[in-house]
Amino acid sequence: SQTIHQWPATLVQPVGSPLSLECTVEGTSNPNLYWYRQAAGRGLQLLFYSVGIGQISSEVPQNLSASRPQDRQFILSSKKLLLSDSGFYLCAWSVSGREVETQYFGPGTRLLVL
Amino acid sequence: GQNIDQPTEMTATEGAIVQINCTYQTSGFNGLFWYQQHAGEAPTFLSYNVLDGLEEKGRFSSFLSRSKGYSYLLLKELQMKDSASYLCAALDSNYQLIWGAGTKLIIKP
Repeated sequence: SQTIHQWPATLVQPVGSPLSLECTVEGTSNPNLYWYRQAAGRGLQLLFYSVGIGQISSEVPQNLSASRPQDRQFILSSKKLLLSDSGFYLCAWSVSGREVETQYFGPGTRLLVL
Repeated sequence: GQNIDQPTEMTATEGAIVQINCTYQTSGFNGLFWYQQHAGEAPTFLSYNVLDGLEEKGRFSSFLSRSKGYSYLLLKELQMKDSASYLCAALDSNYQLIWGAGTKLIIKP
């Protein structure tokens, strides 16, 4: 069966510090991968998605970036965090090759920027 | 623009039935998802509808009317563990998910 991991679970960072969140998927090959942010009481905002190694699509221009160095690894980064980057960051995966596929979410990282 | 509307919060009694509505306006439509999200946790998949009608899965059912741009999630025999947010998401013509803000469901004994 497939599992998806995210770490860290929680993070408190000062404004202007760098960020690196990691997501890994087990039990499947060449998944589609997604990074979402969820602000309190808001819907999910798609930040990045990837259909393969090195292939990243950005949905929202901002100070975040994403990379996919390995097939089942997806990393979200920032060089300098802003207060507005606080939120619940969720990684998700879906089966590739089909247009309609359910997305399955990791446990999430709660980020607080002070 | 693309938009998903669902009530912000609903309250229901343990053992009762509740219906959570969702209306959508998207550029094209390729189906509608419902997810459950407990506080502080990740969303988990409940259902996917692409054809009109009702689909039942145990205590949970989901309904879709494509002509009305409308869906609902029906929860029967409510249990305290059903207290959660319920997210509606529509798949547009580019197969991108458009998410609603979620409906927080509070179950009272």
